[in-house]
Amino acid sequence: EAGVTQSPTHLIKTRGQQATLRCSPISGHTSVYWYQQALGLGLQFLLWYDEGEERNRGNFPPRFSGRQFPNYSSELNVNALELEDSALYLCASSFNQPQHFGDGTRLSIL
Amino acid sequence: AQSVSQHNHHVILSEAASLELGCNYSYGGTVNLFWYVQYPGQHLQLLLKYFSGDPLVKGIKGFEAEFIKSKFSFNLRKPSVQWSDTAEYFCAVNSPHTGTASKLTFGTGTRLQVTL
Repeated sequence: EAGVTQSPTHLIKTRGQQATLRCSPISGHTSVYWYQQALGLGLQFLLWYDEGEERNRGNFPPRFSGRQFPNYSSELNVNALELEDSALYLCASSFNQPQHFGDGTRLSIL
Repeated sequence: AQSVSQHNHHVILSEAASLELGCNYSYGGTVNLFWYVQYPGQHLQLLLKYFSGDPLVKGIKGFEAEFIKSKFSFNLRKPSVQWSDTAEYFCAVNSPHTGTASKLTFGTGTRLQVTL
């Protein structure tokens, strides 16, 4: 069984740019979750999509957004990038419990 | 709101030593409890989970955890650690949700270093 796949592995941007991160869930999983793992801040919940709809969002500004496509894959978009957005962004998927995680996209803001 | 506390940030043990990592959560309702492990350079992997029933749960690689409801705790244990257990360990909780899994709230993680 293929796991959760995320792309790209690394992404380097400058302040003010926009970033798009992608996630393909495990086959059969309908929910996708995004988490931010920033140095010193641990794993913070960002967004949860289920059946194409946003079900919940964490305490992040509106410039963090995303969507889920009919094939259940998902995009995370971060606009107006700031230095503190530098982090590992993890995607997880599930059909009920538990959540399975991808390798992450490391976003570096210069 | 849910919160999770992991008391040990960095633990150093010799091989064959016993391990216990603390995890306490704060939430008034029913919770699901998880321990995830992140080996160096790898993705988060599920070690074990508790939903209901026997409060002592066994996971992969010889790990186990005990849910003590009165103490809001879900401590992770292993009788004898190996060098390959060197990793970061995360405790997490979420609320039971019909049909799907709600968001996870993670602790800050415990970095375990096992020396030979």
